Amino acid sequence: EVQLVESGGGLVQPGGSLRLSCAASGFTFNRHWMHWVRQGPGKGLVWVSRINGDGSSTKYADSVNGRFTISRDNAQNTLFLQMNNLRDEDTAIYFCARDLGQWLAQNWFNPWGQGTLVTVSS
Amino acid sequence: DIQMTQSPSSVSASVGDRVTITCRTSQDINTWLAWYQQTPGKAPKLLIYTASTLQSGVSSRFSGSGSGTDFTLTISNLQPEDFATYYCQQAHSFPFTFGPGTKVDIK
Repeated sequence: EVQLVESGGGLVQPGGSLRLSCAASGFTFNRHWMHWVRQGPGKGLVWVSRINGDGSSTKYADSVNGRFTISRDNAQNTLFLQMNNLRDEDTAIYFCARDLGQWLAQNWFNPWGQGTLVTVSS
Repeated sequence: DIQMTQSPSSVSASVGDRVTITCRTSQDINTWLAWYQQTPGKAPKLLIYTASTLQSGVSSRFSGSGSGTDFTLTISNLQPEDFATYYCQQAHSFPFTFGPGTKVDIK
């Protein structure tokens, strides 16, 4: 069974940092592009970032570019999101999601993890 | 960025009803569109991609259509487990964007 389990969320002050992890199992991790998507409290879905199978290609939403870094450890089947200089508006549930395609990105998100809550507040 | 709109924002329906949700994009995205279902407290679930391809394991009561800028998700014979919020998403260009969602609740 394909499974994605996020961790690392919590309460952080504005300007602080947090590192999210997403542990993957049940599939060949390095074959898939991976994504982070977030959802503010009571709000809709916002795509955050994407990384290819070997970690050599990344892409970010403008709102996080320069502050967030996506990476992966294929030996540990784990996806990361390093979040620096956090702002109030970064408060959200952060989901990791597997790209539907193998090797080539299709940019459809399936499946998703259960999410981890990040709260940025003083 | 490609802007996404959905209508209606919410709809009340009964078990057995047919529900149609519309998604409109601010520019032509061919068929680079997906639909997701999210129930409260849960992660979204992929239902349909490339506008009309049913994801494996998803009930055939769900169907999608459209191309260009106008797309439709239809749920036939609505079941209790279908009461949820539905989002469309474009994968035509960065940043990938989602519609604001359509909540389907019980009449």
